Amino acid sequence: DIQMTQSPSSLSASVGDRVTITCQASQDISNYLNWYQQKPGKAPKLLIYDASNLETGVPSRFSGSGSGTDFTFTISSLQPEDFASYYCQQYDNLPLTFGGGTKVEIK
Amino acid sequence: QVQLQESGPGLVKPSETLSLTCTVSGVSFSSYYWSWIRQPAGKGLEWIGRIYTSGITNYSPSLKSRVTISVDTSKNQFSLKLSSVTAADTAVYYCARSYSGFDYWGQGTLVTVSS
Repeated sequence: DIQMTQSPSSLSASVGDRVTITCQASQDISNYLNWYQQKPGKAPKLLIYDASNLETGVPSRFSGSGSGTDFTFTISSLQPEDFASYYCQQYDNLPLTFGGGTKVEIK
Repeated sequence: QVQLQESGPGLVKPSETLSLTCTVSGVSFSSYYWSWIRQPAGKGLEWIGRIYTSGITNYSPSLKSRVTISVDTSKNQFSLKLSSVTAADTAVYYCARSYSGFDYWGQGTLVTVSS
């Protein structure tokens, strides 16, 4: 199985801050990497697919980059509605696997 | 609008079989993979397995011996069976469409394993 190591596991930030989350794959996954946002009691929502492509309707303050084993997810200016958990997910190999998640909390 | 709706018992006894169905509407059902994903309370996401509309399945190795996913294209439904459940299988179970990512999700259904 491909292990996805996400960091940090949690962070505190203020509205307007730039937030960066990293995800490292245990082997080369090219750009087969997605990012999701999950709010409490809700299903995850796809934000970024193929490492850097913004899903339709997702605000441009969200972005992703990287390829191979190292990936970055960025929120350029944190908004109140962005406080949530974020997960990376690889689909290069089966089984499909997720990172452990990053909880973004209000400072 | 797109809707994926999980249905099935919310309480299952230990050693019995968990059965859930996902009904899809408002989006093309054919020629996609459809997945089951679960999330224990306060924990991360775990992919259980998927089925293509032709019936081809892939399962997580950690659950493969206990999982069966089936599809009924006439009803735009796919189903999950997880046998010999224990308390460790207590989780919110989601169904989702697999494209590049999981782009459409059900709301999730809590399944508790308890006697």
